[in-house]
Amino acid sequence: AAGVIQSPRHLIKEKRETATLKCYPIPRHDTVYWYQQGPGQDPQFLISFYEKMQSDKGSIPDRFSAQQFSDYHSELNMSSLELGDSALYFCASSANGFGGGDQPQHFGDGTRLSIL
Amino acid sequence: GIQVEQSPPDLILQEGANSTLRCNFSDSVNNLQWFHQNPWGQLINLFYIPSGTKQNGRLSATTVATERYSLLYISSSQTTDSGVYFCAVVGPGASGSRLTFGEGTQLTVNP
Repeated sequence: AAGVIQSPRHLIKEKRETATLKCYPIPRHDTVYWYQQGPGQDPQFLISFYEKMQSDKGSIPDRFSAQQFSDYHSELNMSSLELGDSALYFCASSANGFGGGDQPQHFGDGTRLSIL
Repeated sequence: GIQVEQSPPDLILQEGANSTLRCNFSDSVNNLQWFHQNPWGQLINLFYIPSGTKQNGRLSATTVATERYSLLYISSSQTTDSGVYFCAVVGPGASGSRLTFGEGTQLTVNP
C-alpha cells in the first residue's frame, strides 16, 4: 500500500539559511499534518491542511510557512534557520474530513534537519 | 488542551518477558493511536484504537474511553521491540484533528 512520502530524508543547513521540506500524502487522503520532534521529545503539532486550506495551527514559528498544492502535496518552508530548529519533521495524512479527527493519521519516515 | 500521560517512562526487559504500557488522557477522545518509534526515528503505526480491544500478533491494546485510559500489551518481547512507544490522541472541539502525544515509554529489551 502507498505510504506518505517525505523528501529529503536528511538535510543539513547553516544558521540563517532556508529549507523546504516536501510531503506527498497517501492518495485520496484529504488532510495533511506537519509535526516537529526535537531530540528526546515527543512530536509537536505544527500545522494542518484540509483540501488545500489551512485547517489548524499549532506552535509554528512565524519563520515557518506551509501550503498544500492542487496535487495535494504539501511543503514546509523554513527561513532564518536557528540551531533550535534541528529536529525530525514528520508529515502525516488522513482521510478525515474537516475537523473530523476520527480517522487514523499515517506518518511518513520524516526529514531529519540538522542546523550547523 | 488535552493532557496525555504515559507510564512507565522507562522499561527494561529480558527477551521473552511480557509488559504493559499505560496511557491516561484528560478528556474524551475522537482518536487514539499507539506508535513505535524505532532507533532510526520512524514512527510505526501499531493501533488505531479510540475504544475497544485489538490484537496484532504479540501486541494487543485496550482503550476504556469512559475511564480515559489505554493499555498496550507486549508479549514474548524481542530485542526488535526496543524503542519508544507513544500514545497520541485527538481531543474534542477546538483542538481540531491534531494529535497530542504523550512523552512516551522508552523500552529496552535485552537478549
